[in-house]
Parts: sequence; C-alpha cells; structure tokens
Amino acid sequence: AQSVTQLGSHVSVSEGALVLLRCNYSSSVPPYLFWYVQYPNQGLQLLLKYTSAATLVKGINGFEAEFKKSETSFHLTKPSAHMSDAAEYFCAVSFRGNTDKLIFGTGTRLQVFP
Amino acid sequence: EPEVTQTPSHQVTQMGQEVILRCVPISNHLYFYWYRQILGQKVEFLVSFYNNEISEKSEIFDDQFSVERPDGSNFTLKIRSTKLEDSAMYFCASSTTGGGGYTFGSGTRLTVV
Repeated sequence: AQSVTQLGSHVSVSEGALVLLRCNYSSSVPPYLFWYVQYPNQGLQLLLKYTSAATLVKGINGFEAEFKKSETSFHLTKPSAHMSDAAEYFCAVSFRGNTDKLIFGTGTRLQVFP
Repeated sequence: EPEVTQTPSHQVTQMGQEVILRCVPISNHLYFYWYRQILGQKVEFLVSFYNNEISEKSEIFDDQFSVERPDGSNFTLKIRSTKLEDSAMYFCASSTTGGGGYTFGSGTRLTVV
C-alpha cells in the first residue's frame, strides 16, 4: 500500500540554523512528491513538487527537497531558518496512473526560536 | 495570484442537519477536490471531480456526502445529515492537469454540536 511517513511530529531549531524535515514514502509505482506548508488558521500552500525531472527540487521561501529513490525519501531542507518559517509542514505523494489523489503524512510542526 | 475561495470560513451546525460547503475554484482549472482534516490528524482525501462527474472517492465519502458543480463556477460539498465526527476542516482544491500539485483553499471549519 502507498503511504507517507514523516519522522518527527515536532522539530525545533534556532533562527539561522539548518532546517531538515524528513519524509519517506512507500510506493510500488513511481511517485509524485510534494511538500505543503500550513500556517496557523490558513490553508495548504504548495512549497515544492517532484514530478520526475530533476531530483533536487527548489521551492518557495528558500526551501528545497531531494528525491532519493534508493532511500525512498524526499526530505525538506532550508539552510537558514527564519522566524516566519514556523508552521506545519506536510509531505504528500500521488501516483502516476489513473488516480491523482494526494496521500498526506501526519505533518511536522516546525518551531523556530530566536 | 489566483486563489481558491471557500465559504464560509467557519460553520457551526446541529447534529442531523444538512450543510453545504462552497468553493470557487480557479477559473481555468478542470479538476476539483475535497479533503478534510480532523483536528490533530492528517489531511485526508474525500473526492475528486472532473468533467462533471466524480472520478474517485474515498471510503470516507459515503452516501451522506455529495458534490456538485451547479453553475460552472462553484463547487459544493453537501453533507446530508451531519454527525459529530464530521467536525473537521474541509479543504477544496483545484488544478489544471491533475497530478497532485493543486491549489488549496483556506478551508471551512465545520463544527457539529
């Protein structure tokens, strides 16, 4: 069965530190992979997506993610955290074929301390 | 930047009542979706809609749920007889091509009392 696992429901970093949010997926077919961000009381905003082109994907707000097939991972990184990055981050996967529904991970809440 | 608009932002309803959640997708989008997020849980797929019909639905989307695109602009989710466990944030989304990179609305928080 297809699934997404986000390791760490909460991640805390200091402002200026590296952000690393982990995502692993399980799939029997090539996936499309996504990171969404949800700020308090807001909807889901697409940060970036992997759809089989370059394995290193750059998104908005300085975030990037690398698709590693051998590790079935799509971890999200940002070199230097900013206070405004504090939010909930969701990894999601969809699968090529006759379905495009998104399967979401459980989310990681990122806290940034000054 | 084009947005998916959802109304209302909050709705409180009594158990057993019918509710209609409304969405205005981005105008040139062809694929439409509803997802929900129960407080503290993951975002879950409910239904996808294309070419005026449901293309896929989840186990959650049972007979109490229905979707409609009544006028070529709005996309609605109707819950016929609400239950306490229907309390959640409901997100509408749309896309031009499918494939998952959709634009989500800001959600309707439904509270069933």
